[in-house]
Amino acid sequence: AQSVTQLGSHVSVSEGALVLLRCNYSSSVPPYLFWYVQYPNQGLQLLLKYTSAATLVKGINGFEAEFKKSETSFHLTKPSAHMSDAAEYFCAVTDNQAGTALIFGKGTTLSVSS
Amino acid sequence: GAVVSQHPSRVICKSGTSVKIECRSLDFQATTMFWYRQFPKKSLMLMATSNEGSKATYEQGVEKDKFLINHASLTLSTLTVTSAHPEDSSFYICSARPGAGANTEAFFGQGTRLTVV
Repeated sequence: AQSVTQLGSHVSVSEGALVLLRCNYSSSVPPYLFWYVQYPNQGLQLLLKYTSAATLVKGINGFEAEFKKSETSFHLTKPSAHMSDAAEYFCAVTDNQAGTALIFGKGTTLSVSS
Repeated sequence: GAVVSQHPSRVICKSGTSVKIECRSLDFQATTMFWYRQFPKKSLMLMATSNEGSKATYEQGVEKDKFLINHASLTLSTLTVTSAHPEDSSFYICSARPGAGANTEAFFGQGTRLTVV
């Protein structure tokens, strides 16, 4: 079975500050890991993904995440927050089979203040 | 990237009626599609895995007679909420993965906001 845990349901940062959203996973097979962003009443947009290649993954909008097997972590970071980054962020895990669903964490709401 | 289209985006129905939500893969064939439900300010809960030409696989606690899933073709899966009640009001999202291996990614529909009155 696979699962993800997102530590912190709500993270608040100031504009220009570092963003760190935490995600730990559990998987009995090599995991594929994803970060998605969701704006109110909209679907999900992929930020980045780890699929067993480079452990440091760069995504859109300046986000990146590092896969650390020893810590079973896949934390999302951005050096400098922007007001437009305020949204809901979801970490998800799956395997390399197309017939396997993504399992999502509970999500972290990111607030950015000026 | 691949496109998954979901329709309708919003629907309001009366209690006791049924509502059908469509999920289409526009530029790829999807043997498998996934249906999620999202409560306000909550995560996406996997409801079921829809398999083309066979019965859907439901997650524990999801009523299969309540949420009917049909996957009649490689590009279309439908979710029908039968005898809807206000507690069925939610945001429903479908998803599909065009491929496997290192290039795999899940694509999501725009979601359907169901309100049962």
